[in-house]
Amino acid sequence: QVQLQQSGSGLVKPSQTLSLTCVISGDSVSSNTAAWNWIRQSPWRGLEWLGRTYYRSKWFNDYAVSVKSRIIVNPDTSKNRFSLQLNSVTPEDTAVYYCARVVDYEANGYYYPHIDHWGQGTLVTVSS
Amino acid sequence: EIVLTQSPGTLSLSPGERATLSCRASQSVTSTYLGWFQQKSGQAPRLLIFGATNRATGIPDRFSGSGSGTDFTLTISRLEPEDFAVYYCQHYGGPLITFGQGTRLEIK
Repeated sequence: QVQLQQSGSGLVKPSQTLSLTCVISGDSVSSNTAAWNWIRQSPWRGLEWLGRTYYRSKWFNDYAVSVKSRIIVNPDTSKNRFSLQLNSVTPEDTAVYYCARVVDYEANGYYYPHIDHWGQGTLVTVSS
Repeated sequence: EIVLTQSPGTLSLSPGERATLSCRASQSVTSTYLGWFQQKSGQAPRLLIFGATNRATGIPDRFSGSGSGTDFTLTISRLEPEDFAVYYCQHYGGPLITFGQGTRLEIK
């Protein structure tokens, strides 16, 4: 079955870079029927989608407007994983960060994209 | 951007009772893009329903989803002790994913 295992630093200083990695088992980061996402959760912003990477004959990325100027989500095909890099962090970036798979599911001519697997979550605190 | 508003914010019920949770979208959405999640403290959200009405693998049949357009409902027919948690509705906007603010289901 699909599992997502997160790793990365839980404490980042203001203005520095947050870096997390999500290792995929049971699927491929190069899958043509999945997209690999980062989502965070905080008491003040709730659940917030940040960005994704996916492969459809070539690689694509999409990012939330709120973080677009300072986020990078990269695939790593050699290790079957993907990563999150968030630059110039502030205390408002303190949150639990999750990686998640969105699967392209089709049935009876209808398209049902949905998040079906999550990583375990990583609490990232931005503090000096 | 689709804004999802859930009600009530907190629902206090007893085991064995029926729970009805509401999710209203700021504009009409494609129902196949609407999902429901359960989250317990310290855990990642867990998929319950996708496509507004389809139970995910392993989800008991006491959970059901309904609705269309702007109004969607998650119903738990007979509450079990393990059902007390926070529930979120979610919309897939390709690529933007948005979530409601959650309904906390607590034991009365």
